[in-house]
Amino acid sequence: DVKVTQSSRYLVKRTGEKVFLECVQDMDHENMFWYRQDPGLGLRLIYFSYDVKMKEKGDIPEGYSVSREKKERFSLILESASTNQTSMYLCASSFPAVTEAFFGQGTRLTVV
Amino acid sequence: QKEVEQDPGPLSVPEGAIVSLNCTYSNSAFQYFMWYRQYSRKGPELLMYTYSSGNKEDGRFTAQVDKSSKYISLFIRDSQPSDSATYLCAIDTGGFKTIFGAGTRLFVKA
Repeated sequence: DVKVTQSSRYLVKRTGEKVFLECVQDMDHENMFWYRQDPGLGLRLIYFSYDVKMKEKGDIPEGYSVSREKKERFSLILESASTNQTSMYLCASSFPAVTEAFFGQGTRLTVV
Repeated sequence: QKEVEQDPGPLSVPEGAIVSLNCTYSNSAFQYFMWYRQYSRKGPELLMYTYSSGNKEDGRFTAQVDKSSKYISLFIRDSQPSDSATYLCAIDTGGFKTIFGAGTRLFVKA
């Protein structure tokens, strides 16, 4: 059974904190993605990675960074959390040139 | 203009009804169209995908693409309470980018 696992289901952080969201996949996928999901806006791509140590900005990278030191792990970092980063964060992975992406269960982050 | 437009609903139907979910898109070059289903407090899962125009059927679900009008649809026959979820249309633009619609929340009442 394929699996993308996000380290936390719910997180509450304070404004200005550095926040780490972790994602691990067990499918040997090259591609990994971080999205945020907000009501009425759908899924918006923050960053993606197509190989270890490689990363590309998505549509809304401001205020975020990522790290991919191992193939199976992709981390999203909020350098200094702000209230407008309160959202559902979804990690996904896929093989190259394959349409289907597999998603984790999501992390609901609240910044207070 | 957004690249993909989808009515967020919510859409509430009685059990057994035929459900029609729709999206419009702006770029006529798009070729791969998908529908994801997302249950509450879960990540999205791929439900169906189609390439170019035409219909694709899988059990009670039919995905339809009309490239001439840039319109994609998902039909659910004999809807069940277990179909209650958010349905997201998605378009693979080539390369690494997939564009998602806002998602339509569907409630099927027993």
